[in-house]
Amino acid sequence: DTGVSQDPRHKITKRGQNVTFRCDPISEHNRLYWYRQTLGQGPEFLTYFQNEAQLEKSRLLSDRFSAERPKGSFSTLEIQRTEQGDSAMYLCASSSDGYSPLHFGNGTRLTVT
Amino acid sequence: DQQVKQNSPSLSVQEGRISILNCDYTNSMFDYFLWYKKYPAEGPTFLISISSIKDKNEDGRFTVFLNKSAKHLSLHIVPSQPGDSAVYFCAASENSGYSTLTFGKGTMLLVSP
Repeated sequence: DTGVSQDPRHKITKRGQNVTFRCDPISEHNRLYWYRQTLGQGPEFLTYFQNEAQLEKSRLLSDRFSAERPKGSFSTLEIQRTEQGDSAMYLCASSSDGYSPLHFGNGTRLTVT
Repeated sequence: DQQVKQNSPSLSVQEGRISILNCDYTNSMFDYFLWYKKYPAEGPTFLISISSIKDKNEDGRFTVFLNKSAKHLSLHIVPSQPGDSAVYFCAASENSGYSTLTFGKGTMLLVSP
């Protein structure tokens, strides 16, 4: 069990640029989740996958956000035309099923200047 | 509107004493509750959970109490240790599982020697 891995740890980008984050879940975990945490707040749910199927998306996930999990293993989260309000910690988590607690990675901190 | 509320941003306790962290919720559909601990620069780590069919769950030094009528839960840490110093998040789910979690804003616990 190597834990949930996220890359990069930090990303600084200029407003209007596109960014992509990667998450590698714990091996054999079928479920993968993306959350976002802003300063002073708890994590907020964005979306989750069961294998390669994206089963639920939060209304927080605007059209500029897209997440994929093409082979049911790693996942990517892309933000297009970044805005300053996108600055946050993006957390990935995985679980073996819907009844097991989520294991979180250490997150990718995005700063949009 | 915050569906999960942690009204105390911080709590200071002496080593060896009891730490009590509180959480209130407004959504009657929540039926699974969890506590996560978060150290700086790390992702949240699962601590303990409780189903709405129970009113208490214990795991070592950690006990979670649920009062459904008051829509209130609390985490007790006995005895508190300096290594317990972290931000504690209360989270809830309404799917009898962990598919999507709603988090509170967190309480920072400081345990002094």
